[in-house]
Amino acid sequence: DIQMTQSPSVLSASVGDRVTLNCKASQNINKYLNWYQQKLGEAPKLLIYNTNNLQTGIPSRFSGSGSGTDFTLTISSLQPEDFATYFCFQHNSWPLTFGSGTKLEIK
Amino acid sequence: EVQLVESGGGLVQPGRSLKLSCAASGFTFSDYNMAWVRQAPKKGLEWVATIIYDGSRTYYRDSVKGRFTISRDNAKSTLYLQMDSLRSEDTATYYCATGRGFAYWGQGTLVTVSS
Repeated sequence: DIQMTQSPSVLSASVGDRVTLNCKASQNINKYLNWYQQKLGEAPKLLIYNTNNLQTGIPSRFSGSGSGTDFTLTISSLQPEDFATYFCFQHNSWPLTFGSGTKLEIK
Repeated sequence: EVQLVESGGGLVQPGRSLKLSCAASGFTFSDYNMAWVRQAPKKGLEWVATIIYDGSRTYYRDSVKGRFTISRDNAKSTLYLQMDSLRSEDTATYYCATGRGFAYWGQGTLVTVSS
């Protein structure tokens, strides 16, 4: 199984900050990496699919990059509504696997 | 508007069975692969199973193989998850999901396995 390792597990930041969240796959997953945002009590929301494609309706301050085994999600200027937990997810091979998440907290 | 509505969750004893449903609307159900994803309380997301759009193939995580069965009724636009031999570690909110990149999710249904 492909292990997805996210770092950091908790990130404290302020409104307006630029932040980068990391996701590392235990083997090559090509471009098949998605990012989701989840707020307490809600279903996950797709932000980025296939490494760098912004889902419809998601603000352009979110962007994704990477390839192979190393991927990043960048939020260019944090807004109050961005404080949430973020999960990466590989759909390159079965079984599909999620990272354990990065909780983005207000500093 | 795409809608996915899960139902069938509840409290069940270890070793017993439960069947979840996911009623879909707002898109052509028979064109899309469907999946179940679960989340244990205060834990991360875990993919459970996927069924291809025409039901021809299914995929499962190892921990549920032989115990869970994913199926679909394209005429009713409904996805199912038959869960047998339930264990305490199956306790979670179960979401159905679909669309490119799992763009669409239901609100989830809570399954609690406890004596």
